Amino acid sequence: QKEVEQDPGPLSVPEGAIVSLNCTYSNSAFQYFMWYRQYSRKGPELLMYTYSSGNKEDGRFTAQVDKSSKYISLFIRDSQPSDSATYLCAMSGEIQGAQKLVFGQGTRLTINP
Amino acid sequence: DVKVTQSSRYLVKRTGEKVFLECVQDMDHENMFWYRQDPGLGLRLIYFSYDVKMKEKGDIPEGYSVSREKKERFSLILESASTNQTSMYLCASSLAGPYNEQFFGPGTRLTVL
Repeated sequence: QKEVEQDPGPLSVPEGAIVSLNCTYSNSAFQYFMWYRQYSRKGPELLMYTYSSGNKEDGRFTAQVDKSSKYISLFIRDSQPSDSATYLCAMSGEIQGAQKLVFGQGTRLTINP
Repeated sequence: DVKVTQSSRYLVKRTGEKVFLECVQDMDHENMFWYRQDPGLGLRLIYFSYDVKMKEKGDIPEGYSVSREKKERFSLILESASTNQTSMYLCASSLAGPYNEQFFGPGTRLTVL
């Protein structure tokens, strides 16, 4: 079983739709949860960062963490064509005495005008 | 503007060749990382370095080595390239400590024939 599972998609939605991207994980040691966005032919860039359970909002983006279910989500409201990218979840924590950062497989998202 | 640069965007090599991938960051970051990115597998950590001349194996170090002689430069070496090393290689850097944002380069797409 992979430590972090993310549906690779692809996901295609019309402009203006609400998008929900999700990841599940198996290791309860993860405490920091991140979403990276990767445009075509570019490296990933940090989009949002949350610690422990709860919600965090930044403009049209909301990151949600449910540690009891080992489930994290990224919601995009009023989606725009410029949001078309691959979204990678990532999580980190101390595992077996060492800090570890693990990425999900990435979900390719296309917003159609 | 923070910057991580990689020596090549595209590289084609033959099986058995020695391959050098170079990464340079201008942010005075202590940590540097090498990942490979493959469809369906996400980002997988090959090696990382938390200081000059220091290196630690990641999840998939086999067939690779690294060199960090200067703080700003981190090199990935494929001693004898094989076709299963065809992939996108991403370099990243971050400040010291486990929970800091990683800044990625644009990636090198390596094809081994």
